[in-house]
Amino acid sequence: AQTVTQSQPEMSVQEAETVTLSCTYDTSESDYYLFWYKQPPSRQMILVIRQEAYKQQNATENRFSVNFQKAAKSFSLKISDSQLGDAAMYFCAYRSQNTGTASKLTFGTGTRLQVTL
Amino acid sequence: AAGVIQSPRHLIKEKRETATLKCYPIPRHDTVYWYQQGPGQDPQFLISFYEKMQSDKGSIPDRFSAQQFSDYHSELNMSSLELGDSALYFCASSLTYDSREQFFGPGTRLTVL
Repeated sequence: AQTVTQSQPEMSVQEAETVTLSCTYDTSESDYYLFWYKQPPSRQMILVIRQEAYKQQNATENRFSVNFQKAAKSFSLKISDSQLGDAAMYFCAYRSQNTGTASKLTFGTGTRLQVTL
Repeated sequence: AAGVIQSPRHLIKEKRETATLKCYPIPRHDTVYWYQQGPGQDPQFLISFYEKMQSDKGSIPDRFSAQQFSDYHSELNMSSLELGDSALYFCASSLTYDSREQFFGPGTRLTVL
């Protein structure tokens, strides 16, 4: 079974600064997807960024980028120019590929990001 | 753009009662997933459906059952409710079973008293 670990329960960043959230995972599979989801106080699950394991290039979405290290099974999220609206719980998630089923997302325990003025 | 619709958004039940949660996927999406998120916890996968058939199953209690109907909407039926069932229940949909992305609904907050 796959596991996802987020070792930082809480992080804090000043507005306009950069912060990196850590995520490691354990799997024996070679084909999979990795995601970062944001959950603001509204509790809506919002996809921030995704990465296919077969792609060596790190994904980037505006101020959000990842550092994907497949051999190390590491998938960190970097938020640049942090904004007050970035304050939320961030979940790292894993999903198997090519299983022949509607496979689940496996989430980490989350990192609560606080953005200060 | 159309999103995943869940109803009701909030539900309050007594212990031992029954609850039914509904999920309407994005149009043309044939795959539905259910997740349970307890207070302060990460979402846990319950069950998924593809083309009206159960596809994958997680830690769903025997007291819960679910199905997907011909119009692809799904219902999660929960019986003999317990205090520990109080949680946020998310439905997500995807275009098909091996689509990369799952699109989440706003969730149904169930409170069991």
